[in-house]
Amino acid sequence: DAGITQSPRHKVTETGTPVTLRCHQTENHRYMYWYRQDPGHGLRLIHYSYGVKDTDKGEVSDGYSVSRSKTEDFLLTLESATSSQTSVYFCAISGGTGSPEAFFGQGTRLTVV
Amino acid sequence: KQEVTQIPAALSVPEGENLVLNCSFTDSAIYNLQWFRQDPGKGLTSLLLIQSSQREQTSGRLNASLDKSSGRSTLYIAASQPGDSATYLCAVPDQGGSEKLVFGKGTKLTVNP
Repeated sequence: DAGITQSPRHKVTETGTPVTLRCHQTENHRYMYWYRQDPGHGLRLIHYSYGVKDTDKGEVSDGYSVSRSKTEDFLLTLESATSSQTSVYFCAISGGTGSPEAFFGQGTRLTVV
Repeated sequence: KQEVTQIPAALSVPEGENLVLNCSFTDSAIYNLQWFRQDPGKGLTSLLLIQSSQREQTSGRLNASLDKSSGRSTLYIAASQPGDSATYLCAVPDQGGSEKLVFGKGTKLTVNP
């Protein structure tokens, strides 16, 4: 699985609570991404990182923040979880050996009740 | 804004049949296109990456072609097997050589024994 680990794999949380999802890579890829996947919408980019401490917004960034303090870790935080953030979240990486090929983690299923 | 369309949304075929999955995109100024496979409850697995300088790419029974001028790519699967049953997604950069990918909603393939 291209050395990508997402944690936790499953989480149920209550509305209004903060939640942090972690993505860890062992491939030393430059770029890291957070996507969410929802029925009818497909995969949509939330935030991405193009280096340590370098991040930018994606298509659906409202309500989310990210941090990347080390090459291998990319954190996604839901500041105050809402039911609309119930989704499956995927981390991806790319840029290894200069290739644009993207690789995905196994996903985190988040349910906000 | 880059938009990616995959037709059909679902496809059911008997085992052994050769089949073609289609992907179209609106902004043809892309540097690459990637095909993925997703099994239920799993992450995305990279199948093929086609660079803009290439017209096609092959891996085993899979062959992907890219026609930038028409904004289309096809994924050809030869001699389909039940194990090929999955959702197939294509993705292109949101513009040019951007690292941010835009995904189609996928084609759900079922290969019947």
